[in-house]
Amino acid sequence: QSALTQPASVSGSPGQSITISCTGTSSDVGSYTLVSWYQQHPGKAPKLMIYEGSKRPSGVSNRFSGSKSGNTASLTISGLQAEDEADYYCCSYAGGSTLVFGGGTKLAVL
Amino acid sequence: QVQLQESGPGLVKPSETLSLTCTVSGGSISSYYWSWIRQPPGKGLEWIGYIYHSGTTSYNPSLKSRVTISRDTSNNQFSLNLRSVTAADTAVYYCARIGGGSWDFDCWGQGMLVTVSS
Repeated sequence: QSALTQPASVSGSPGQSITISCTGTSSDVGSYTLVSWYQQHPGKAPKLMIYEGSKRPSGVSNRFSGSKSGNTASLTISGLQAEDEADYYCCSYAGGSTLVFGGGTKLAVL
Repeated sequence: QVQLQESGPGLVKPSETLSLTCTVSGGSISSYYWSWIRQPPGKGLEWIGYIYHSGTTSYNPSLKSRVTISRDTSNNQFSLNLRSVTAADTAVYYCARIGGGSWDFDCWGQGMLVTVSS
């Protein structure tokens, strides 16, 4: 069970859109629509932003959206705001009642 | 609203057992799946394992030989035991709830730093 692959960092200017990719295999991301995304600010616990690939929990801004194609899931943040600067992690069900996280992506809002 | 709180020793000696407890308030552990996740300083998240209210467990294959997760329904708590620890087990340990059948972590504790050092 290997960690999902995310870019180490992405950046964007306020108002722009960015996309963070999360690449797995046919055993995890490619086989299930059970990808979730988390936002983590420094010193804080992660917060669920997207579940089941594209669904938003109550209270999460509609600027956050998720999608999947093949073995790669993606998180898109539109209308970037300074408060979006954080680390983002994807997570996928990996079969056999196991879960696997991505390595994390640091988002800088320039 | 469900709240989770980790507790236990913040310092553990190498080769000993790391033991943490997660106390759940505002809801019963007699439903849902309950999980442990850790994050070494400056690094990413790692899923450790989960327990269902029935007692069924599942663990990360890389940690399976050293991990036991148990639950105490009478006190609405679940616990983590990680045996034979080394410095590589130094991390912030989070407990979290797995939401329904969607296999996501919808509620998290604040996290607790555990340092492995003599």
